[in-house]
Amino acid sequence: QTVVTQEPSFSVSPGGTVTLTCGLSSGSVSTTYYPSWFQQTPGQAPRTLLYNTNTRSSGVPDRFSGSILGNKAALTITGAQADDESDYYCVLFMGSGSWVFGGGTKLTVL
Amino acid sequence: EVQLVESGGGLVQPGGSLRLSCAASGFSFRNYWMHWVRQAPGKGLVWVSCIKGDGSITFYADSVKGRFTISRDSAENTLYLQMNSLRAEDTAVYYCVSEIGKGGYWGQGTLVTVSS
Repeated sequence: QTVVTQEPSFSVSPGGTVTLTCGLSSGSVSTTYYPSWFQQTPGQAPRTLLYNTNTRSSGVPDRFSGSILGNKAALTITGAQADDESDYYCVLFMGSGSWVFGGGTKLTVL
Repeated sequence: EVQLVESGGGLVQPGGSLRLSCAASGFSFRNYWMHWVRQAPGKGLVWVSCIKGDGSITFYADSVKGRFTISRDSAENTLYLQMNSLRAEDTAVYYCVSEIGKGGYWGQGTLVTVSS
């Protein structure tokens, strides 16, 4: 069974840049997996940041960007702000209608 | 404004059943794939099921296949999840999500607790 991998935790300084990744336990992530990224703060529902690798959802600032880096999907936050401190999840399309989420990355801004 | 409002969660005994609803508004509900995603307390997101806009195609995670049934009523703009043979490990907040791979919107979720 394929597992979607994410860094469990990451930290970034205010104003800094951080790249979170989304990989596969076996194989490489490509655009054909239609990677999406979601942000969730404690007690709140997730919200969509990016979809189809690098398309920002409505209202998402352009300091959030997506790409494929090597064999993984990536979410880059440029100029990190205090309220970016959240859990970030990716999801990949596995075919046959199914989607698999990564385990999430807890981002600390300090 | 897009709104997705889940309801129907609650406490149920193991082996019991529950039906979740998700009332949709602010978009052309009948044209969109809809999904259920769950999150156990303190854990990550898990995709559960999805259904095509016209209701003709459905998919399920292996963990719920044969126990859960997703459906929709386009006249009522409502998504459903019928959950049978519930287990303790089904305890989670259940979110409905529109077009998960196309910048979809999330509801606020409804909590399902399976416990005796």
